[in-house]
Amino acid sequence: ETGVTQSPTHLIKTRGQQVTLRCSSQSGHNTVSWYQQALGQGPQFIFQYYREEENGRGNFPPRFSGLQFPNYSSELNVNALELDDSALYLCASSPGPSGVLSSYNEQFFGPGTRLTVL
Amino acid sequence: RKEVEQDPGPFNVPEGATVAFNCTYSNSASQSFFWYRQDCRKEPKLLMSVYSSGNEDGRFTAQLNRASQYISLLIRDSKLSDSATYLCVVITGFQKLVFGTGTRLLVSP
Repeated sequence: ETGVTQSPTHLIKTRGQQVTLRCSSQSGHNTVSWYQQALGQGPQFIFQYYREEENGRGNFPPRFSGLQFPNYSSELNVNALELDDSALYLCASSPGPSGVLSSYNEQFFGPGTRLTVL
Repeated sequence: RKEVEQDPGPFNVPEGATVAFNCTYSNSASQSFFWYRQDCRKEPKLLMSVYSSGNEDGRFTAQLNRASQYISLLIRDSKLSDSATYLCVVITGFQKLVFGTGTRLLVSP
């Protein structure tokens, strides 16, 4: 196991509702990234948090927002849910971010939260 | 065009077979390359990094061709436990992993 935990494991919501997903990073890791994985697709990068600040964002609308707390745990919030938001939401923690010129820090994924929007 | 493209498969092979997966990426500025493995309804896990010189880890060999923007994974002597989806992953900048759609492998007895 990676030591990265996510809650809840499953969630069912209706269109228009709001949802909050939670992630606890591995001990010693200060960076959390969030990904959306639709059925039959690879994970898509939503955003990354490093030391409580957003450190990069993918092509997701503003209704996808996040937070990172002083203990480096993180939340993903999605407002005005749409049917296409149904997916597995994965968080991944790492020891730190890497810039273009530095080495890659392996990301360790949590088990994910499966969100169904009806 | 997708940033990372893979054949989704499935690849159906018997135990003991050798199987190869390919992946192409569109951003020539890509810095790092990986293969991840994802079991059904589980999270992705790092299988191996991919280097220009090629690298091997037991039955698994990964190759990178920067000129052709092409990555490959070779699995020799396939085991039943190798059945999974194999995700090609590229990093183009800050720690944003760009995943392909994955290639599904089914190894049968």
